Amino acid sequence: AQSVTQLDSQVPVFEEAPVELRCNYSSSVSVYLFWYVQYPNQGLQLLLKYLSGSTLVESINGFEAEFNKSQTSFHLRKPSVHISDTAEYFCAVSDQWGAAGNKLTFGGGTRVLVKP
Amino acid sequence: KAGVTQTPRYLIKTRGQQVTLSCSPISGHRSVSWYQQTPGQGLQFLFEYFSETQRNKGNFPGRFSGRQFSNSRSEMNVSTLELGDSALYLCASSLGGWSGRYEKLFFGSGTQLSVL
Repeated sequence: AQSVTQLDSQVPVFEEAPVELRCNYSSSVSVYLFWYVQYPNQGLQLLLKYLSGSTLVESINGFEAEFNKSQTSFHLRKPSVHISDTAEYFCAVSDQWGAAGNKLTFGGGTRVLVKP
Repeated sequence: KAGVTQTPRYLIKTRGQQVTLSCSPISGHRSVSWYQQTPGQGLQFLFEYFSETQRNKGNFPGRFSGRQFSNSRSEMNVSTLELGDSALYLCASSLGGWSGRYEKLFFGSGTQLSVL
């Protein structure tokens, strides 16, 4: 069984300030790790993913996340946020192997509110 | 290329009724997954279909069922609706291949179901 914990349900932050969203997971098998973003009244969009290789992964819009195997964490960071980053962010995992298919296990989500 | 299309966008039903939601995947995608999103339980995996066969299933009661047609379109059905079934139901599609290989999921905007 897998579980994902997002430690903060809401994170208010001022524009141009840095933000960090914390994610810890538990799994008995090797996993892929993801961050998804959900804007109001929309579906989920993949922000970035860790499959293998370099533990630091980056997105095209300035977010980065670092996989830490010993701490089973995959925290998301952005050095300077914009108003447009206001959204809900979900951390998720899936099994690397086996018959899991496209089954994702999600954390509870973190609402980021960027204030001017 | 059209994205994942879910219909209808909004639904209002009463307890005891049944409902059918539809999902049209991206052209060429053969895997369709369904997720339930509620404020209390978050995002939970319902099931995945590939080539008209259910490949994976989450922990939901038998009232929740689905199917996939030969053109990869999928429907999910909820019978004997309960108040707790009020949720945003998200559909996601992917190319669909061997289990264990990473494939990017593309999500639709969801169907918002309200049970009164």
